[in-house]
Amino acid sequence: SQQGEEDPQALSIQEGENATMNCSYKTSINNLQWYRQNSGRGLVHLILIRSNEREKHSGRLRVTLDTSKKSSSLLITASRAADTASYFCLANQAGTALIFGKGTTLSVSS
Amino acid sequence: SQTIHQWPATLVQPVGSPLSLECTVEGTSNPNLYWYRQAAGRGLQLLFYSVGIGQISSEVPQNLSASRPQDRQFILSSKKLLLSDSGFYLCAWKLQGAIEAFFGQGTRLTVV
Repeated sequence: SQQGEEDPQALSIQEGENATMNCSYKTSINNLQWYRQNSGRGLVHLILIRSNEREKHSGRLRVTLDTSKKSSSLLITASRAADTASYFCLANQAGTALIFGKGTTLSVSS
Repeated sequence: SQTIHQWPATLVQPVGSPLSLECTVEGTSNPNLYWYRQAAGRGLQLLFYSVGIGQISSEVPQNLSASRPQDRQFILSSKKLLLSDSGFYLCAWKLQGAIEAFFGQGTRLTVV
């Protein structure tokens, strides 16, 4: 399959809890990005991590990248109901194609 | 500044009708252009990408085609829509060698 894999596919948590989503990809990459999509609408760029970085923070977001395992994780700390959305990783392959993971649907209940 | 325009936002088409979705980019030159589709409840699937005028790479063979008649214009077409063509279609661009990709707002296509 051309797509990366993300797990879990669906995640339900309570407000205040942390949410961790994982993404795996198949080929060498230049960088990996995480996007958020609300209810089948456009994509919002969250954070980018380059292939030579291992961890990056942005507000309540923490992204890790393990190029040896071809995997990345997105951690959202102290989740809020407004974080309810689908989250996708985008692997920028060492080439031209940009391949999305299948996505994780996060539901945060108050 | 660079922007990407994708229209229409929503579209309802009967089975067997043709399709033409257009995406244009402003404020940049020679971008790589991409078309993605998201079926209901599923992930974003890369359909086509283009690195230059007239150059189209197809990732998934199906009932769709793409064309790039101008540097900053990317068109997704179908001669006869199928019910399975329903979904959310996203256009994107990225400069060769650049890091970040930019996405249009998407078109929600419902084939009835």
